[in-house]
Amino acid sequence: GENVEQHPSTLSVQEGDSAVIKCTYSDSASNYFPWYKQELGKRPQLIIDIRSNVGEKKDQRIAVTLNKTAKHFSLHITETQPEDSAVYFCAASYGQNFVFGPGTRLSVLP
Amino acid sequence: EAGVAQSPRYKIIEKRQSVAFWCNPISGHATLYWYQQILGQGPKLLIQFQNNGVVDDSQLPKDRFSAERLKGVDSTLKIQPAKLEDSAVYLCASSSLGQRPGEQYFGPGTRLTVT
Repeated sequence: GENVEQHPSTLSVQEGDSAVIKCTYSDSASNYFPWYKQELGKRPQLIIDIRSNVGEKKDQRIAVTLNKTAKHFSLHITETQPEDSAVYFCAASYGQNFVFGPGTRLSVLP
Repeated sequence: EAGVAQSPRYKIIEKRQSVAFWCNPISGHATLYWYQQILGQGPKLLIQFQNNGVVDDSQLPKDRFSAERLKGVDSTLKIQPAKLEDSAVYLCASSSLGQRPGEQYFGPGTRLTVT
């Protein structure tokens, strides 16, 4: 079955700097890669996603890149703000079956 | 639209006891998921329903966990008997076939503590 790894497990950046979180997946059949943000004590929420026929997608300060050959995808957050502090999860999906990565705890320091 | 509802929000039980969780998905959502999220880890899929049929239950510990979605709407997840390692947040999510695949709407979760 699918296995998703995520790095780093924790990440601290200064406000205004960029943050990058990387994920790798094992199943070449996976064709959809969402990213979720989970604030402390709250439910995960979808922030951006990318399909396997696209290499990059951007939404304001957030972007995701996908390298199908290498089976890895990354989340990029620019101009980080304190409210970006949360746990971020990547996931890989085929159909409606999702496998989540272990998460990255991002702390944005003022 | 109303979100995914779950109850109870918190539950504390002793090991070997039984517990049940309830989920009401967003109206019209055909797909329903139950996830187990252990502290510091990502959600792990336990079972996925499409209407009232099971799509994937490969990671459900069937000797102690069971789930049903009899009328294709509400769902219950049961643990009997509970073990200490079952302490986790149990998340229910739902999605519609017509939406973006990742647009799973998560409920607030049930935090289970097994002592």
